Amino acid sequence: AQSVTQPDIHITVSEGASLELRCNYSYGATPYLFWYVQSPGQGLQLLLKYFSGDTLVQGIKGFEAEFKRSQSSFNLRKPSVHWSDAAEYFCAVGHGGSQGNLIFGKGTKLSVKP
Amino acid sequence: DGGITQSPKYLFRKEGQNVTLSCEQNLNHDAMYWYRQDPGQGLRLIYYSQIVNDFQKGDIAEGYSVSREKKESFPLTVTSAQKNPTAFYLCASSRTADYGYTFGSGTRLTVV
Repeated sequence: AQSVTQPDIHITVSEGASLELRCNYSYGATPYLFWYVQSPGQGLQLLLKYFSGDTLVQGIKGFEAEFKRSQSSFNLRKPSVHWSDAAEYFCAVGHGGSQGNLIFGKGTKLSVKP
Repeated sequence: DGGITQSPKYLFRKEGQNVTLSCEQNLNHDAMYWYRQDPGQGLRLIYYSQIVNDFQKGDIAEGYSVSREKKESFPLTVTSAQKNPTAFYLCASSRTADYGYTFGSGTRLTVV
């Protein structure tokens, strides 16, 4: 069965430090991969997505993610974290097409220390 | 601007009452989804609809009902059969899943 694992429930980083949020997926075919961000009490906003091609994808707010097929991973990175990045981050996987639904990980909550 | 609107933002319900959450989109998306979010549990799919007048159960459909009479609208009814209805409910839409979902800002339902 398809699944998405975000191993870290909560991460705390200092402002200005680099960030990497982990995402591992289990999928039989070439996946479509997404990262979303959610501020408290709000909906989810799409940060970036990977369908094919270059395995390093750039997103909004200075985020990037790298698809590594051999490791079944799609980790999210940011070189320098800002206090406004404090939020919850969700990884999702799908196979596309009109019948495909996205499967979401359980999320990683990011706290930023001043 | 196109978007997806959920209303109301906060909703209080007495036990034993049905309540309907609204979700409207003007993105011309075919697919719409309802998720329930509880702390530490991520997003759980309640119902989804790929086309007007058709919808399918998700992972936790018991105690919920939906309709899809118009492309723009996908209301969710939380019935009295739902044992633990207090949660944050998110509606989403997409052209197809591979383009990702656009989410509404959510409705927080509290049973009192």
